[in-house]
This record gives sequence, C-alpha cells and structure tokens, in this order.
Amino acid sequence: DQQVKQNSPSLSVQEGRISILNCDYTNSMFDYFLWYKKYPAEGPTFLISISSIKDKNEDGRFTVFLNKSAKHLSLHIVPSQPGDSAVYFCAASGAGSYQLTFGKGTKLSVIP
Amino acid sequence: KAGVTQTPRYLIKTRGQQVTLSCSPISGHRSVSWYQQTPGQGLQFLFEYFSETQRNKGNFPGRFSGRQFSNSRSEMNVSTLELGDSALYLCASSLAGGPNEKLFFGSGTQLSVL
Repeated sequence: DQQVKQNSPSLSVQEGRISILNCDYTNSMFDYFLWYKKYPAEGPTFLISISSIKDKNEDGRFTVFLNKSAKHLSLHIVPSQPGDSAVYFCAASGAGSYQLTFGKGTKLSVIP
Repeated sequence: KAGVTQTPRYLIKTRGQQVTLSCSPISGHRSVSWYQQTPGQGLQFLFEYFSETQRNKGNFPGRFSGRQFSNSRSEMNVSTLELGDSALYLCASSLAGGPNEKLFFGSGTQLSVL
C-alpha cells in the first residue's frame, strides 16, 4: 500500500512558466514533508521541506503548499528553468520515525 | 565538507553471488540509511543505523543486511543475489536520523545482476 503517491509520472512545462508537482499521502501520522530533486546517475538532493504546523514554505523560486485536511501537498516552481528538468520525489516522515517514505517521483521536463 | 561517499559506483554480479556495498557519511553524521531505487519505483527504505545499532528495517527479505561501524561508516550486504535485486542502492546520512531531519544522499551504487 503506497502511503505517498505522486500520480503524475511526468510533466512538461515551457521555460518561464509555473511548474506544479503534486503529492498525496494517506498516513495521518506524517508530520514532516520534503521534496528532493534527482538527476540521472546522481543521488537525490534536498530541495525544500515543510512541517505540518505550516501550510506554506518558500525558498526562492520554490514554494511548497500543504493541505492537511486533504492530505495533499504541492511544489510550485516559478519561473521554471531548463536546469529544473529532473525527477522530483515527494517524501514524508512521522513522529518518532527514522525513515522517509517516498513517492515514485515525477519527471519534470522544462522546454526552452 | 565532503558529502556522502558510496563505493563502488557500479557493480556487475551474477545470480547466487553476494555483494557488499560501502557508505561513508558526512563527517559528524551518526545516522546512515539505505534505500533501493528500481525503475518506475520510488525509493524503498531498507534500514537505518545509528551508533552501530539498527533502529528501523524496511520490508525486505533477510538476504539484505547491513551494519555500521564505530566511525559511522556503513556497509550493506546482499546474499544469494536475484535478478530483481538489480537496482540503484542509495545511502543517506543525517546528524541523528530524528524526525524533521533532512537526509543527504550519496550518488549510489548501481548494481546489475546477470
């Protein structure tokens, strides 16, 4: 049973436009959420996170929104750049947990 | 500060063999986690170590094992390799592995089982 779901395997966006990547979770014990970006042949790199006590966190071009009632979070990238083309993973952890639970990833392609 | 180092980067084995992968965490990090990534799948949690103790284990068969040394370096071992074990194995470290900590990943070891 997948506890973290990224229902869009891929997304294509024009350079300069907004990219919106979505993530849903089922485990109500999750209280910390992260986004990682992964290029081919490299390990994932941390992008941005949000605690369940917040509903928005912003870092430069990246903003994560959390809707706890809907168990949904989204990552907004504005403006999108070709270098943003990568696979984006949503991850979650719960109180006292020593592991992250990842979604299957969304491949973002930013077209110049 | 050096990042998480995994060796080797690539490995080719045949079915039935065993393999050992190595991970050196970021200096000062005491928690090391291992994840498996296969095509079309997310990262599947294998296990997590802190101060040489396994604190959590994912849903993998007993053929997958690991350990952590006193210097926080970690190894994972897969015995009796199967074709389905072909994957990218990622190691990640963090200060203490607690909640609300982000993980820093290595570049991974790409294992191919023939």
